[in-house]
Parts: sequence; structure tokens; C-alpha cells
Amino acid sequence: GENVEQHPSTLSVQEGDSAVIKCTYSDSASNYFPWYKQELGKRPQLIIDIRSNVGEKKDQRIAVTLNKTAKHFSLHITETQPEDSAVYFCAASGSGGSNYKLTFGKGTLLTVNP
Amino acid sequence: KAGVTQTPRYLIKTRGQQVTLSCSPISGHRSVSWYQQTPGQGLQFLFEYFSETQRNKGNFPGRFSGRQFSNSRSEMNVSTLELGDSALYLCASSLGQPETEAFFGQGTRLTVV
Repeated sequence: GENVEQHPSTLSVQEGDSAVIKCTYSDSASNYFPWYKQELGKRPQLIIDIRSNVGEKKDQRIAVTLNKTAKHFSLHITETQPEDSAVYFCAASGSGGSNYKLTFGKGTLLTVNP
Repeated sequence: KAGVTQTPRYLIKTRGQQVTLSCSPISGHRSVSWYQQTPGQGLQFLFEYFSETQRNKGNFPGRFSGRQFSNSRSEMNVSTLELGDSALYLCASSLGQPETEAFFGQGTRLTVV
């Protein structure tokens, strides 16, 4: 089955700096890659997603890049703010009969220091 | 519109007991997925239901089961609880097509003592 590795597990940055979180996946047929943000005590919420026919997608300070050949995708947050502090999860959808199933990485705890 | 609702929010059970968790999806969503979240393990997929049928299943023992009703509400049951079952159980609903956003509920915090 699909396996998703996420790095780093913790990331601490100064306010205004950029943050990058990287994920690799194992199933070359996966075609949907969402990123979720989970604040302490709250539910995960989708912040951005990318499909396999696109190499990059941006939404204000957030961008995601996808390299299907290397089977990795990354989340980039620019001009970080304290409210960006949360746990971020990457995920990949399976292929074939598993394309309704999301496999998640283990998460990255991002801390933005004022 | 109302979001995904999970009940109860908190549960404390004794080892060996069984428990049932409930998930009401967003109106119009026909797919409900269940995940177990534990510190350091992220979100692990349990199963997914669409129109009352289980479409996908994760690698959990048979003590974990679920079902979905005709109104798309879903329940998850865990029998013969073990200490290691203590976790946050999250459900997520979606329209059920590939590559569509999954919306999560607040979760049920299960503690097994």
C-alpha cells in the first residue's frame, strides 16, 4: 500500500522567515496530494492541495510543489506569522480501488517565534 | 452549512469493554472515512464508507468495525478495548469522488483505563 514519509518532524522559525516541509510517497499512481493544518485541540483543515497534472500551486503565502518523477511534494510557507504555528500533515490518495483513501505523513510541528 | 459532527467528544472506558462512536457528515456528503490519531503516528486510516458500503479498509484488527446508514451518518465500533486503543478518533466526510476535499470533525477522544 501507499506509504508517506514527512520531514522534518519539528520545525522552528522566526516570524517572517520561510518554512518548508517535505513529503515522499511510494505509490507512483497516486494523483492527489492535500496538506492539512491542525491547530492545538482543533480539527485538521485543508490548506492547499495539488493534483498530479500540476507541478506547482500557490495561494497567497502558501505554495505546494510536486515532482512526480521523484515522488515527492513540498509545502512552502513564506513570511511566516505566529498564527501559522500548528501541526501540518501531508497526504496522498491511493490508486485504483484505494483512490478514496488518504494516507497521511506523521506530521510536522511548526513553531513560529515572534 | 453545518460541519462534520462527532459524538461524544470524550469517552473513558475500561479495558475489555466496547464503544460506539458516531459521525454525522456534511449534508450532501455520501462518503465518511475514519482515522485514528495518536501522538507521533499521525492519522492512520481505519475505513471508508460510501452509500452504506465499505469501500476501503486500513490495517486494523477486526475489533474495529463500522457502518453507514441511509442518511450517510456513520458509526464506528471498537470491541474488547485495549489500552493501546486510547486515541483521538476523527471522521471526515466528502462528496465521495476521487481528489475531493475531506472535511474533518472535531474528533472523539477515547481513553481506555
